[in-house]
Amino acid sequence: DAKTTQPPSMDCAEGRAANLPCNHSTISGNEYVYWYRQIHSQGPQYIIHGLKNNETNEMASLIITEDRKSSTLILPHATLRDTAVYYCIVRESNSGYSTLTFGKGTMLLVSP
Amino acid sequence: ETGVTQTPRHLVMGMTNKKSLKCEQHLGHNAMYWYKQSAKKPLELMFVYNFKEQTENNSVPSRFSPECPNSSHLFLHLHTLQPEDSALYLCASQLTGGGFRTDTQYFGPGTRLTVL
Repeated sequence: DAKTTQPPSMDCAEGRAANLPCNHSTISGNEYVYWYRQIHSQGPQYIIHGLKNNETNEMASLIITEDRKSSTLILPHATLRDTAVYYCIVRESNSGYSTLTFGKGTMLLVSP
Repeated sequence: ETGVTQTPRHLVMGMTNKKSLKCEQHLGHNAMYWYKQSAKKPLELMFVYNFKEQTENNSVPSRFSPECPNSSHLFLHLHTLQPEDSALYLCASQLTGGGFRTDTQYFGPGTRLTVL
């Protein structure tokens, strides 16, 4: 699986949009970009994933560049409860089971 | 609430104890995973079961013994652990079989294990 690079930490004011970047320059054509987050001492929570088109759900939007070498997770109106470590993971999707390789992620701190 | 439950949520044990961690998923998934997260370290995959068969053992010491009696339940049996085994143990499940919507792993809340 391709490796990802994320900034170690970011700050965001409550109510503002949080834009979390991820670089995955070695991504291959059949690899998806997944985002999870982990609030302190809890299990990781799935947020969103995509292949090449932008995706949106009730939690966030995922913007993937045309060359697929980077992506941005957007939390449109960050709240204090969005403070967490956010993980960007690139993984091949196939019909069998799969494993996720977690890096260090980005610690997002949302402040009042 | 992700549909994956883990018990107990917290466990303190001595090095000579034997204990078990339990994971149950209510999602109809067929693959289940054990991960370990030590302090200030990324999650590490330990074991994978797919349709009750162990498909991956990530060089885990034998003092950790997994068991998957059916696709909904996963156990991690612990014996003669070391203090450095103290960590958050996470279970996840996934529906395998292909397709865009089936590849997501859903995690339980974890068991915080302390070995004295």
